[in-house]
Amino acid sequence: EPEVTQTPSHQVTQMGQEVILRCVPISNHLYFYWYRQILGQKVEFLVSFYNNEISEKSEIFDDQFSVERPDGSNFTLKIRSTKLEDSAMYFCASVKYEQYFGPGTRLTVT
Amino acid sequence: GIQVEQSPPDLILQEGANSTLRCNFSDSVNNLQWFHQNPWGQLINLFYIPSGTKQNGRLSATTVATERYSLLYISSSQTTDSGVYFCAVEGNQGGKLIFGQGTELSVKP
Repeated sequence: EPEVTQTPSHQVTQMGQEVILRCVPISNHLYFYWYRQILGQKVEFLVSFYNNEISEKSEIFDDQFSVERPDGSNFTLKIRSTKLEDSAMYFCASVKYEQYFGPGTRLTVT
Repeated sequence: GIQVEQSPPDLILQEGANSTLRCNFSDSVNNLQWFHQNPWGQLINLFYIPSGTKQNGRLSATTVATERYSLLYISSSQTTDSGVYFCAVEGNQGGKLIFGQGTELSVKP
């Protein structure tokens, strides 16, 4: 069964550094999402992406965040200058009727 | 925006017991999904169930869209069922899933 994959599984970075989280959605899916989950809290929507552009973003998704689909298969989330409060699990999802979630990247900012 | 409330917030069961988890939502929805978050943090799809009833082994789910709630039934629970169960809905505007706060289930041997 096809699945969404994410790399890395765990990333540790220092405050102020840039990070890129990578996702490979299920092929033939057209809608893609990033969500995050701060430890012990619920999963929150960050951004949706369709037809090579952002279709919706939350108030969390400020100028420090960007997304792109550089080569038609990978889907990336970039955080330009990480803050301590960016520490969270980041999930990618791709959609065909239901949303299929990747295993997540645990980002730790020190 | 749409509100999603799950109950109970925590549940402790003895292995073999049955349980019912509830998800209430404040507006009509296009989509409703149930997930199990395992101890490694992965979100496992359990059901895509905007309406009606589905069963998968010991798990089943029912969504009554007109009354804005969904139920997840776990029968003959096992220790591997432990974890957090999330309900998530997609509103009529489409797109993003809005998650509830989850029910943390602990099944004791």
